Amino acid sequence: NAGVTQTPKFRILKIGQSMTLQCTQDMNHNYMYWYRQDPGMGLKLIYYSVGAGITDKGEVPNGYNVSRSTTEDFPLRLELAAPSQTSVYFCATRTGVHEQYFGPGTRLTVT
Amino acid sequence: GNSVTQMEGPVTLSEEAFLTINCTYTATGYPSLFWYVQYPGEGLQLLLKATKADDKGSNKGFEATYRKETTSFHLEKGSVQVSDSAVYFCALSLKTSYDKVIFGPGTSLSVIP
Repeated sequence: NAGVTQTPKFRILKIGQSMTLQCTQDMNHNYMYWYRQDPGMGLKLIYYSVGAGITDKGEVPNGYNVSRSTTEDFPLRLELAAPSQTSVYFCATRTGVHEQYFGPGTRLTVT
Repeated sequence: GNSVTQMEGPVTLSEEAFLTINCTYTATGYPSLFWYVQYPGEGLQLLLKATKADDKGSNKGFEATYRKETTSFHLEKGSVQVSDSAVYFCALSLKTSYDKVIFGPGTSLSVIP
């Protein structure tokens, strides 16, 4: 039982490039989330999903897109990367009692 | 709106000192309350939780009591260890909401030998 896995662990992008951050869970949780964590800051919600085929925007969705075609996978797409998107990205799932389970994170640098 | 406020860090303590990290919340309805911990280079992990007023959550020597009258959920530990050095996040989730958990900004704790 791997829980929540994220790939890659680290990535450096040039301005204007695109990439997809992968998130996979094996706990059969319906709710999944993408957060970003900037240095010394708390978590900001980018997008969330309450089940396959259903996604919605969080606090800071601009510059990102998501899809949820299966219960297991919730990829985050960055289009036209900008330096402001340099951050650590965490994927999380949630149980029915509201407890969240986090992946190990992806550290992204845009230069 | 719904929000979580935590004491500002960083907090630096000597080993075996008593720890308190204050957390207060604003919420409509009756939230569940959580403390998450983030060790360096890792994701957040649930430390403890409480789902109703007067509940006490506890784990690894940490405790927090859900105080509805003061809208607080302060984290305490009687004797900290170097291995407790981490960032601690207070969070709430509303039973009537199916979508989001609201996190506080986090409090960094450093424990020195």
